[in-house]
Amino acid sequence: DTGVSQNPRHKITKRGQNVTFRCDPISEHNRLYWYRQTLGQGPEFLTYFQNEAQLEKSRLLSDRFSAERPKGSFSTLEIQRTEQGDSAMYLCASSLGAAWTQYFGPGTRLLVL
Amino acid sequence: QKEVEQDPGPLSVPEGAIVSLNCTYSNSAFQYFMWYRQYSRKGPELLMYTYSSGNKEDGRFTAQVDKSSKYISLFIRDSQPSDSATYLCAMSATGNTPLVFGKGTRLSVIA
Repeated sequence: DTGVSQNPRHKITKRGQNVTFRCDPISEHNRLYWYRQTLGQGPEFLTYFQNEAQLEKSRLLSDRFSAERPKGSFSTLEIQRTEQGDSAMYLCASSLGAAWTQYFGPGTRLLVL
Repeated sequence: QKEVEQDPGPLSVPEGAIVSLNCTYSNSAFQYFMWYRQYSRKGPELLMYTYSSGNKEDGRFTAQVDKSSKYISLFIRDSQPSDSATYLCAMSATGNTPLVFGKGTRLSVIA
């Protein structure tokens, strides 16, 4: 068990470009969550999946954001037409079944210039 | 008013001190409470989790929940410089649903 992994760890992009992040949850964890964290704040929920179904999306998730989990394993989060306000740490977490403990990955730090 | 309030600190203590970290919340539906530790530029690491009211102890760490006051605490005994990190409280109403986090308290333990 290698824990939750995220790639890339860092991404610098220019405003208007599209970016995609990947999350690999702990194997056999069927729930997968995306959060965003800005400096000096706690993580804020974006969206989550149970297996391949996207069950909930936060109002923070504008239509420029899309997330997928096609086979119920890894997930991708895409941001289209990035804006400077998208600069943040994007965190992925996973949990197993009805368990309520979520385990976080190291995050992807995005900087939009 | 945010659902979860947490003093961001910073909090600076000498090595060996007892540290008390706290959060208050407004949503009486919250029943699941967690504490995460986050080192600089890393993801949050789960430290403690409790359900409903009461205390839970794990080594040097004790988590307390007082639902009547909507107040949770994390105590760290015999604090070490390696405990220097940001401590985040998190909670949810129904367990396997998205967590609501506090801002985090930045702790420095000075040797």
